[in-house]
Amino acid sequence: DQQVKQNSPSLSVQEGRISILNCDYTNSMFDYFLWYKKYPAEGPTFLISISSIKDKNEDGRFTVFLNKSAKHLSLHIVPSQPGDSAVYFCAAYSGTYKYIFGTGTRLKVLA
Amino acid sequence: DGGITQSPKYLFRKEGQNVTLSCEQNLNHDAMYWYRQDPGQGLRLIYYSQIVNDFQKGDIAEGYSVSREKKESFPLTVTSAQKNPTAFYLCASSIGTGYNEQFFGPGTRLTVL
Repeated sequence: DQQVKQNSPSLSVQEGRISILNCDYTNSMFDYFLWYKKYPAEGPTFLISISSIKDKNEDGRFTVFLNKSAKHLSLHIVPSQPGDSAVYFCAAYSGTYKYIFGTGTRLKVLA
Repeated sequence: DGGITQSPKYLFRKEGQNVTLSCEQNLNHDAMYWYRQDPGQGLRLIYYSQIVNDFQKGDIAEGYSVSREKKESFPLTVTSAQKNPTAFYLCASSIGTGYNEQFFGPGTRLTVL
């Protein structure tokens, strides 16, 4: 039972355009969310977080939007760069000291 | 230069053997975690530890064991009871459990021959 879903396994975007990565969750009790970026054979790197008391959080080229009523969050990358090509995971804090991770979306930014 | 180190990066094991994966952090974090990643799947929690000398099972603890004798170290043993041990193993740490980002090590790729 996937409580955190990333329904798009892959996404290709032209350099300079916007990348939008989506994440859906099922449990309305989740109240803190993280996005991670992962290169092959490396550990994930933390990108950005958002608390459920906000609907938007920005950090440079990265913006995360949270729609609590739809149980949906999205990561926007503007402008996209070739170095952004990686797998992106969203994670939701479930309480009980753990995060639940989605299955990831592979982003490819085309030069 | 603070961070998390995992060794070795690649590990091969014969079926039926136990193997221990190392994880060390110098971030002074209280909490540490072990995850497993399989192709097409998210990270699944094996064990976590909130503090020295304490650890809890995660979602897929069967066939694994851990110890937390020092704050800096959280080794994971993959035992012969683990039916499908070939995977990418990730160690992480955070300041505390709860609303804190987890910082990950580079991972260990374990292959059972």
